[in-house]
Amino acid sequence: QQQVRQSPQSLTVWEGETAILNCSYENSAFDYFPWYQQFPGEGPALLIAIRSVSDKKEDGRFTIFFNKREKKLSLHITDSQPGDSATYFCAASHGGSAKLIFGEGTKLTVSS
Amino acid sequence: DAGVTQTPRHEVAEKGQTIILKCEPVSGHNDLFWYRQTKIQGLELLSYFRSKSLMEDGGAFKDRFKAEMLNSSFSTLKIQPTEPKDSAVYLCASSLDRGTYEQYFGPGTRLTVL
Repeated sequence: QQQVRQSPQSLTVWEGETAILNCSYENSAFDYFPWYQQFPGEGPALLIAIRSVSDKKEDGRFTIFFNKREKKLSLHITDSQPGDSATYFCAASHGGSAKLIFGEGTKLTVSS
Repeated sequence: DAGVTQTPRHEVAEKGQTIILKCEPVSGHNDLFWYRQTKIQGLELLSYFRSKSLMEDGGAFKDRFKAEMLNSSFSTLKIQPTEPKDSAVYLCASSLDRGTYEQYFGPGTRLTVL
């Protein structure tokens, strides 16, 4: 049973556009949601994270929007650059657990 | 500071062989994770150690997969015997037990089982 789901599976945007990656979860006990970025041949790396007490987290061109009631969150990448082309994973954990549950990933391609 | 180191980067094995993958976590980290990554299943947790104690041993992987943490700076994942369906990228990650739980991943070992 997939507890964290991502959509779309793949996404292509033009350089300069805003890419929107979606994530939903089932377990209402989840309270920490990191997004990881993975380039081919490398391991995932933490990009940005949000806790359930917040509804928005910004870091430069990357913003997480969080809707606790609907159990949904999204990652917005503004002014997308070709260097942003990667696979993005949404993850979740709860109760201070170090264990993360990962979604299936969204492969983003930014075309110039 | 050195990141997570994994060796080898690539491994080719015949069906039925025993293979051992190695991981050195970030110095000072006390949580260590082994994951399997495939296109179909995504990232699956195989094992989780805290301060060298096994906290979770992924149920579906118990029979042929065994992770060990011999000391705080070295871990191994043994697959015995290997099967073609084990072909995947195996990732090791470590984190500090300090509340943020950011996991630092190694580059992975790509395993191909013929």
